[in-house]
Amino acid sequence: AQKITQTQPGMFVQEKEAVTLDCTYDTSDQSYGLFWYKQPSSGEMIFLIYQGSYDEQNATEGRYSLNFQKARKSANLVISASQLGDSAMYFCAMRLGGDDKIIFGKGTRLHILP
Amino acid sequence: DVKVTQSSRYLVKRTGEKVFLECVQDMDHENMFWYRQDPGLGLRLIYFSYDVKMKEKGDIPEGYSVSREKKERFSLILESASTNQTSMYLCASLPGQFTGELFFGEGSRLTVL
Repeated sequence: AQKITQTQPGMFVQEKEAVTLDCTYDTSDQSYGLFWYKQPSSGEMIFLIYQGSYDEQNATEGRYSLNFQKARKSANLVISASQLGDSAMYFCAMRLGGDDKIIFGKGTRLHILP
Repeated sequence: DVKVTQSSRYLVKRTGEKVFLECVQDMDHENMFWYRQDPGLGLRLIYFSYDVKMKEKGDIPEGYSVSREKKERFSLILESASTNQTSMYLCASLPGQFTGELFFGEGSRLTVL
């Protein structure tokens, strides 16, 4: 079954610390993509980072990096040096190669403490 | 600038009414999606479309239908609205040449009384 699992409903982290948000996925497709979105309280969906299943290096975008471990089927988001503005809901998602279906996890609400 | 526009930000409907949620994108994207977002459940895929007049069921299609008569427009239809369809509905589009980014509309908050 195709599925995205985010096991942390909520997290509290001190400002300036690094944060790891967990994401595991399940698919039998060989070609797929994984990405992360941020949703602040305003409700907009902000694209953060993308990793293709054939990409050998972990994706990085500024303070965001995606720790892709294919054998473990995990795609954790790492935020370095967290900021108060990082407080938001974070969603992990997977694009399935066969039909471009895109499914999301249930999300993790991140709270950055001053 | 990339734009996905959902016709209504807020709607209030009565049980049994037919409801249309419209989504228009101006980027000539092939793929379009409808999700509903509920607290604790994340985004759940209702339907998606990879071409005009083509549609595929997502994970929760029951009670919904869709229409894609033109490439830029993807409509979500609730034939007979029920209270359990009260939710935030998000439309998104994706270019055929996948760049890693799914573009979202602002969402439509539907309340069914």
